[in-house]
Amino acid sequence: EAGVAQSPRYKIIEKRQSVAFWCNPISGHATLYWYQQILGQGPKLLIQFQNNGVVDDSQLPKDRFSAERLKGVDSTLKIQPAKLEDSAVYLCASSLDGRSADTQYFGPGTRLTVL
Amino acid sequence: GENVEQHPSTLSVQEGDSAVIKCTYSDSASNYFPWYKQELGKRPQLIIDIRSNVGEKKDQRIAVTLNKTAKHFSLHITETQPEDSAVYFCAASWIQGAQKLVFGQGTRLTINP
Repeated sequence: EAGVAQSPRYKIIEKRQSVAFWCNPISGHATLYWYQQILGQGPKLLIQFQNNGVVDDSQLPKDRFSAERLKGVDSTLKIQPAKLEDSAVYLCASSLDGRSADTQYFGPGTRLTVL
Repeated sequence: GENVEQHPSTLSVQEGDSAVIKCTYSDSASNYFPWYKQELGKRPQLIIDIRSNVGEKKDQRIAVTLNKTAKHFSLHITETQPEDSAVYFCAASWIQGAQKLVFGQGTRLTINP
C-alpha cells in the first residue's frame, strides 16, 4: 500500500514569513497526526485529527500555527509568522483508528529552516 | 501528562554484540509501547511494539520487555549488524478519547564493524 505522503520535503524561509505543509495519509486511515521533531529530539505531537475533527491540539502554538483537514483526508499545517525556533522537521502520521492502540505510520517529513 | 525518559542517548557496540535501550514512563494508564527506528533523513518506522497485557515480545533479533510495576520497558537487539545503526525512539501511549503517543528523546545506536 502507498505510504503517507508529504510535501514539500524541504523549505527555507525567513523569520516572519509564512509557510504551509501538506500531508496525504494512507487511504482509509481515520486518524491523522502532525508532529514537530527538533534536531536531536523525539517527535512532539502538535495536533491530532479524527476524520475531519480535532481531538487534541493542546500543544499547538495557536497564535502562529493552524491546521485543517477539511474533507477528512488530506491535511495542511500552516505557520504564520515563522520564528527561528520553528526550524524542525514536521512529520505527518496516520493510523487506522486513533481510538485504539494501533500503529502510526509516518511520512518522510518536511524539513523547515527559518533564517 | 505523560513523560518518557530514554537512556542512553548514544550507544556504540561491536558488530555481533547485543544492544539494550531502556525507557521509563510516568503515567500508569499507558498501555501501548511502540519502538521506532529512524535512519538519517528518513521517516520513523515501527520495528516492534508491546501492549500492557504482555511482558515480553520477540521478533527475530529484536525483543521488547515491559515491567508495568516499575513503569519501564526495554529494547533488546541481538547479533547486531551495521544496518542496525540508526536512532531508536521509544514511545508510550494511552487512550484518552483518542490514542496519545509520547516519545522519548532517542538513542543513537552505532554498530562498529
